[in-house]
Amino acid sequence: DAKTTQPPSMDCAEGRAANLPCNHSTISGNEYVYWYRQIHSQGPQYIIHGLKNNETNEMASLIITEDRKSSTLILPHATLRDTAVYYCIVRAIKAAGNKLTFGGGTRVLVKP
Amino acid sequence: GAGVSQSPRYKVAKRGQDVALRCDPISGHVSLFWYQQALGQGPEFLTYFQNEAQLDKSGLPSDRFFAERPEGSVSTLKIQRTQQEDSAVYLCASSFETSSDLKNIQYFGAGTRLSVL
Repeated sequence: DAKTTQPPSMDCAEGRAANLPCNHSTISGNEYVYWYRQIHSQGPQYIIHGLKNNETNEMASLIITEDRKSSTLILPHATLRDTAVYYCIVRAIKAAGNKLTFGGGTRVLVKP
Repeated sequence: GAGVSQSPRYKVAKRGQDVALRCDPISGHVSLFWYQQALGQGPEFLTYFQNEAQLDKSGLPSDRFFAERPEGSVSTLKIQRTQQEDSAVYLCASSFETSSDLKNIQYFGAGTRLSVL
C-alpha cells in the first residue's frame, strides 16, 4: 500500500470547518483513500473513503485531487467532540484480508 | 452487542506472565484483525482471520504471540512470557468483507491496554 504524509497536528476553532490534508503521491490506480479517526481511549472509527470522485457523508467530505496524489478531509462544522487523531490510509480493495496501514496521523484539537 | 467488544479493558501483568486477550466481533463478520498500538503511535497490524482460518500472521512480533479463532467468531490473542516491550493497546477489528461487499470497512473495539511491569 502507498505511503501517506500528514501534518502531525493542527488546531481548529469550534464551529469552523476543519481541512485536513494528506499527501499520497505514490498511490496506485486500484488504491482507495480511507480516513479513520481515533478519539482518546477509543478504537479507530471509520469516517469516509473514496477512489477519485469527491465523497460526502454525514460525518465529513473527502476531496481528492484530479491526479489523486493528495486529498483533503473536511469536517464542515467542527465540534469539541471532533478532537482526535485523524489517519489517512491508502489501501487497495480486494476480496478479503485488507489490513490497514496507519501512519502517524494528524492530531486535531478543536478549541472553543 | 452492536459493536466489537474486547476484554479485559485493562490488564497488568508481571514480566514473564502469560496473558490472554479476548475479542468478540460484530455478529456475522467474516474477517477479524488484531493490531498493536504503542503509546503515541498509530496501530500496527498483527494478524488476520477469515472465519476460523488465520490467513496472515506476518505482523506478529515473535513466537510468543499466538492468536486463534476456533469457531470463526470470538478470537483470543495470547502472549506468552510477557516482556516490558509488549506494553501497548491491543485492538481488534472486524469486517463483513465478502466479494459482494468491497467497502472493507473495519470496525474497531476499544482495545485492551496491557501494562507489563
